[in-house]
Amino acid sequence: EAGVTQFPSHSVIEKGQTVTLRCDPISGHDNLYWYRRVMGKEIKFLLHFVKESKQDESGMPNNRFLAERTGGTYSTLKVQPAELEDSGVYFCASSPRGAFYEQYFGPGTRLTVT
Amino acid sequence: QKEVEQNSGPLSVPEGAIASLNCTYSDRVSQSFFWYRQYSGKSPELIMSIYSNGDKEDGRFTAQLNKASQYVSLLIRDSQPSDSATYLCAVKDNAGNMLTFGGGTRLMVKP
Repeated sequence: EAGVTQFPSHSVIEKGQTVTLRCDPISGHDNLYWYRRVMGKEIKFLLHFVKESKQDESGMPNNRFLAERTGGTYSTLKVQPAELEDSGVYFCASSPRGAFYEQYFGPGTRLTVT
Repeated sequence: QKEVEQNSGPLSVPEGAIASLNCTYSDRVSQSFFWYRQYSGKSPELIMSIYSNGDKEDGRFTAQLNKASQYVSLLIRDSQPSDSATYLCAVKDNAGNMLTFGGGTRLMVKP
């Protein structure tokens, strides 16, 4: 069974530009989560989808971040416009419906904003 | 503000020894506890989950939970150099699905 995949693995953009990160969860997993780790800090929750619906977006830092999960499969996280403090590693995780406890993580996208 | 605290390390142990990793959490309603292992540049890999007080063993790994003391630990027996990684403690309450992570403990197992 394929794990959670993320694309790209690394993105370098200039301040003010737009970047879109993609996450493909484990097949059949209804729950999809976005987290990020900025330099020197712990991994922090951003938001949670159940299928295509946003269940909890309390961790989204501001309205420059937009997450979507059309059709309840893959998800995208767009940052527009990017700021220097957005640099970090963005992780996606998924878990099956009804088994909220164990989340499986993807390899992350390292975002560098210069 | 929910907090999960871990000693950042590095924790250095000789090969074959027991490595003991500790984690404390602030939110008393936390119900689910997880240990993830992360190699440099790789994804966090779930290695243990524990939900009730006491010990849970899986191979060389033992997770210990004490809800009264708000303390969870991970023991790695017969440590191997391949166990060298950062170990992340994460907790979740029943109100939501988000995980709250500690900063991680870097473990180094010396041959």
